[in-house]
Amino acid sequence: AQTVTQSQPEMSVQEAETVTLSCTYDTSENNYYLFWYKQPPSRQMILVIRQEAYKQQNATENRFSVNFQKAAKSFSLKISDSQLGDTAMYFCAFTKYNNNDMRFGAGTRLTVKP
Amino acid sequence: DAMVIQNPRYQVTQFGKPVTLSCSQTLNHNVMYWYQQKSSQAPKLLFHYYDKDFNNEADTPDNFQSRRPNTSFCFLDIRSPGLGDAAMYLCATSRDTSSGVYNEQFFGPGTRLTVL
Repeated sequence: AQTVTQSQPEMSVQEAETVTLSCTYDTSENNYYLFWYKQPPSRQMILVIRQEAYKQQNATENRFSVNFQKAAKSFSLKISDSQLGDTAMYFCAFTKYNNNDMRFGAGTRLTVKP
Repeated sequence: DAMVIQNPRYQVTQFGKPVTLSCSQTLNHNVMYWYQQKSSQAPKLLFHYYDKDFNNEADTPDNFQSRRPNTSFCFLDIRSPGLGDAAMYLCATSRDTSSGVYNEQFFGPGTRLTVL
């Protein structure tokens, strides 16, 4: 079974600074997808960034980037130039290739302080 | 805008009184999912439909059932809600993932269920 672990229940960062959220996972699969989802307070979950396991290059979406270490089974999210609107729960998630079943980590509550 | 809609946003029911939550989508996606999310926890997949094919998670209680009468709508039925079923229920959709191509899951805003 696949498991996803987020070891930081809560984090905070000052506006305009950089923060890194950690995620590790356990799988015996070689092909899979990894995701970071954002769930703002009282709002719906949206996809922030995704990574295909077969791609060595780390994914980047504007201020969001990942550090994907396949051998270490690590998938961290870096948020640069943090904004107040980045305040949310962040979930790391995993799906096997060719599969509908998504497994989430427990989440990290990020607060961006003015 | 194409979207995933959940009604109602807040639902209060009594212990043991059946309740139905609804989800509709305008994305024309063939996969629909139901997740249970308890306070400060990760969403947990209950089941999903691939078109009309129902896929139940092994640890989903029998108390939870689902119906998908057509592509656009999916319902979550809780036959006899207990206090432990109080949670946020999230509906999500995606296109077919069986081909191996990644297809993003789009989430609705959720229905918060309170059991009295």
